[in-house]
Amino acid sequence: NAGVMQNPRHLVRRRGQEARLRCSPMKGHSHVYWYRQLPEEGLKFMVYLQKENIIDESGMPKERFSAEFPKEGPSILRIQQVVRGDSAAYFCASSPGTKTTGELFFGEGSRLTVL
Amino acid sequence: DAKTTQPTSMDCAEGRAANLPCNHSTISGNEYVYWYRQIHSQGPQYIIHGLKNNETNEMASLIITEDRKSSTLILPHATLRDTAVYYCIVHRAGGTSYGKLTFGQGTILTVHP
Repeated sequence: NAGVMQNPRHLVRRRGQEARLRCSPMKGHSHVYWYRQLPEEGLKFMVYLQKENIIDESGMPKERFSAEFPKEGPSILRIQQVVRGDSAAYFCASSPGTKTTGELFFGEGSRLTVL
Repeated sequence: DAKTTQPTSMDCAEGRAANLPCNHSTISGNEYVYWYRQIHSQGPQYIIHGLKNNETNEMASLIITEDRKSSTLILPHATLRDTAVYYCIVHRAGGTSYGKLTFGQGTILTVHP
């Protein structure tokens, strides 16, 4: 059973370009969470999605960032007009649902570097 | 979620038990204690969680004090591959906050030969 798959693992963009990060959850998981880890900082929650719905986007920057999780295909985190401050590791996690307790399964992350 | 306090760093000799403490004095009755770790450049990995009883799995043991104000993660026989940042997270699981974890700075555990 494959784990959470993220791609690309490394992405380099110039300022002003767009970055698209993809996340395929574990098989059977319909809930996806995105986290960001800035250099030398802890992980910060960004957004929680269930198939075709955004449940909680309280951690998403108000501008340039968007996320989707379509009925078919991976979840996408999109960053428009990237700036150097967007350079970070972006981690995706998945879960089968919102049962009372349990673990999140994280991917290996996508590392964005903005030149 | 309640705030947690962990030592910044700890050392452990290979083969010995690693005991990582965590204080969570403001924990609420319906909040669980979770432990995750992050090995360098990898995604976080779940270790264990508990509510009030001690828990054990193939990776570690979790000891929670009777008043639930602190806990200890025990790696019984640390190996070099256990070198990582260990995060203690107090979280009221369930509902829309299920996966919304608050990661602090964690404890950098270094296992040396």
